[in-house]
Amino acid sequence: TQLLEQSPQFLSIQEGENLTVYCNSSSVFSSLQWYRQEPGEGPVLLVTVVTGGEVKKLKRLTFQFGDARKDSSLHITAAQPGDTGLYLCAGVGYNTDKLIFGTGTRLQVFP
Amino acid sequence: ETGVTQTPRHLVMGMTNKKSLKCEQHLGHNAMYWYKQSAKKPLELMFVYSLEERVENNSVPSRFSPECPNSSHLFLHLHTLQPEDSALYLCASSVGTGGGYEQYFGPGTRLTVT
Repeated sequence: TQLLEQSPQFLSIQEGENLTVYCNSSSVFSSLQWYRQEPGEGPVLLVTVVTGGEVKKLKRLTFQFGDARKDSSLHITAAQPGDTGLYLCAGVGYNTDKLIFGTGTRLQVFP
Repeated sequence: ETGVTQTPRHLVMGMTNKKSLKCEQHLGHNAMYWYKQSAKKPLELMFVYSLEERVENNSVPSRFSPECPNSSHLFLHLHTLQPEDSALYLCASSVGTGGGYEQYFGPGTRLTVT
């Protein structure tokens, strides 16, 4: 069974701080997606990374796919209250072509 | 309406009730999904439909019964639920069923079983 563990589970920080969220597995994924889910809403796709070592930037958010395509990280620079939400990574199984969601990181950014 | 809509947004039901959740997508997608989101557990895929045909059923108890009358509509019929079935039920759609396709989620139905 493919599992995606995210850390930390919870993160509570002040506006302006930097943070990194990790998504780890022992399995290889053909691609990895990051979603953000705001309270009362469904998850919304932020980015998809496909190549090992790939780095993608979305304004203050930087996403990296591990060289071995088993892990990924999300770094947020100068966090804003609008970044508050549940961050979910989701990997596409290399052999299964199925999307597996991670355990989630709940981020709260205080003004 | 745009995107993926779900009704009702909140539902409280007794263990002996029968109710249905409705999902509608306005994106022209061919695949639709039901997920269960519980506290402290990863998002659990329940059912996958492709062009109205069920292509995946992830060992979901028979008290959950999906129905897909057309590619735009998806229902989840509920009967004799248990308190542990209380969760957020999310519907999603995508162009195809391959894992690499972006999934578009609805806002969910918050279900409480009393």
